[in-house]
Amino acid sequence: QLQLQESGPGLVKPSETLSLTCTVSGGSISSSTYYWGWIRQPPGKGLEWLGSFYYGGSTYYNPSLKSRVTISVDTSKNQFSLKVSSVTAADTAVYYCAREPSGYSYGYGYSFHYMDVWGKGTTVTVSS
Amino acid sequence: SYELTQPPSVSVSPGQAARITCSGDALPKRYAYWYQQKSGQAPVLVIYEDIKRPSGIPERFSGSSSGTMATLTISGAQVEDEADYYCYSTDSSANHWVFGGGTKLTVL
Repeated sequence: QLQLQESGPGLVKPSETLSLTCTVSGGSISSSTYYWGWIRQPPGKGLEWLGSFYYGGSTYYNPSLKSRVTISVDTSKNQFSLKVSSVTAADTAVYYCAREPSGYSYGYGYSFHYMDVWGKGTTVTVSS
Repeated sequence: SYELTQPPSVSVSPGQAARITCSGDALPKRYAYWYQQKSGQAPVLVIYEDIKRPSGIPERFSGSSSGTMATLTISGAQVEDEADYYCYSTDSSANHWVFGGGTKLTVL
C-alpha cells in the first residue's frame, strides 16, 4: 500500500528557506506512470497547488510562486523535496505531498495528472 | 492567472441531493476533479476525469461537466458527507493547475 510522509521543521523564520521532504513507501517515484506533487493549505483557507514533476521529465510550478519554489528528487532514498525561499507569514500552512496518476486525453489534446494518494500533511509556521 | 469558481457554501437536508458547481473558462476542454476534505484531514479524491468514481467512493457521488461548468452531485446526501469540497483542473496551457476556492457542504 502506497504511503507518503512529509517531514521537516515546523517553524521557520521570516526571510529564510522552508525545506520539506516527502518519503514514499510502497511504490517507486521513478515510475513513469505518475507525477508527484506538493500542495499547501493556509489556516482556514483553501488548497493551493505548488508544483508537480515526473521522474525524467519536466517540473511545473504555480506561476504565482515559481520564483521561490523548487522541487527536487532523490531516487536513492525514494524521496522528493520542496524548498520555498524568502518565506513570510503568508507561507504558514499545512503542506501536503501527493502521488499524481497521469495520462493523455486525445479528445482534449493534453496531458493530465491529479492527486489520488496524499500524505497526512505537516504544519509549517513562519515566525520569528 | 486561471481561476475556478465555486459557491462558498451549500446546505441540504439529509436525503436531499446536493449539487456543487465549479466554473472555469478552460473546462470545455479540460477534465475536472473533485476532492472531499473533512476537518483536520487530508483531501480525498471523489471524482476524476469529470465523471469517474474511484473505488471505495459511494455511488451517491457523481460528476458531470457541460461547457464551462463542472458539477459534483451527491444524491441522497448523508450527515457524514459534511465537508469542504474542492474542484481541481488546469488552464489552457495544461502546465498550471488550480483548485477552486472550496465549498462547505452542510447536511442538517
